[in-house]
Amino acid sequence: AQTVTQSQPEMSVQEAETVTLSCTYDTSESDYYLFWYKQPPSRQMILVIRQEAYKQQNATENRFSVNFQKAAKSFSLKISDSQLGDAAMYFCAYRRAGNQFYFGTGTSLTVIP
Amino acid sequence: NAGVTQTPKFRILKIGQSMTLQCTQDMNHNYMYWYRQDPGMGLKLIYYSVGAGITDKGEVPNGYNVSRSTTEDFPLRLELAAPSQTSVYFCASRSGGPNEKLFFGSGTQLSVL
Repeated sequence: AQTVTQSQPEMSVQEAETVTLSCTYDTSESDYYLFWYKQPPSRQMILVIRQEAYKQQNATENRFSVNFQKAAKSFSLKISDSQLGDAAMYFCAYRRAGNQFYFGTGTSLTVIP
Repeated sequence: NAGVTQTPKFRILKIGQSMTLQCTQDMNHNYMYWYRQDPGMGLKLIYYSVGAGITDKGEVPNGYNVSRSTTEDFPLRLELAAPSQTSVYFCASRSGGPNEKLFFGSGTQLSVL
């Protein structure tokens, strides 16, 4: 079975600083996809960034970047220059080369002004 | 674009009642999903579909049923509601291709009392 683990239930960061959210996953597959989703209080799920396992280059999306370590099965999210609007629940997700997505339990990020 | 539309947004059921959560998408996506999100937990997959007429069980299918008679609609049926089904339910559809992403509905808050 595939599992996604987020070991940090809560994190906080000062505005304009950098924070890293951790995610590890367990799989026997070699071809898969990884995602970070953001869920603000509005409850809407918003894609932050995605990474294909076959790509060695870490994905970046403006202030968001990942550190993908395939051998270690680690997929952390770095948020640079944190903004108040970044405050939300962040979910790490995994999709194998089929159709099912698996989500972690989430990390609640607080941004301190 | 409407994207993924879920109805209702809120519902209270009595134990033993039945109801259908509606989900429709206008993006012509083949893949559709139903998730539940319990407090402090990640999203758990209930059922998914890879196209009209095809459905399959996810991680937590017991107590639920789905159908997929059209590409657009993917309703989730709760029979004999139980307090353990109190949760927030999300419907999602997935685009394919190199920029694939999950599109989520706004969620249904269901309480079974």
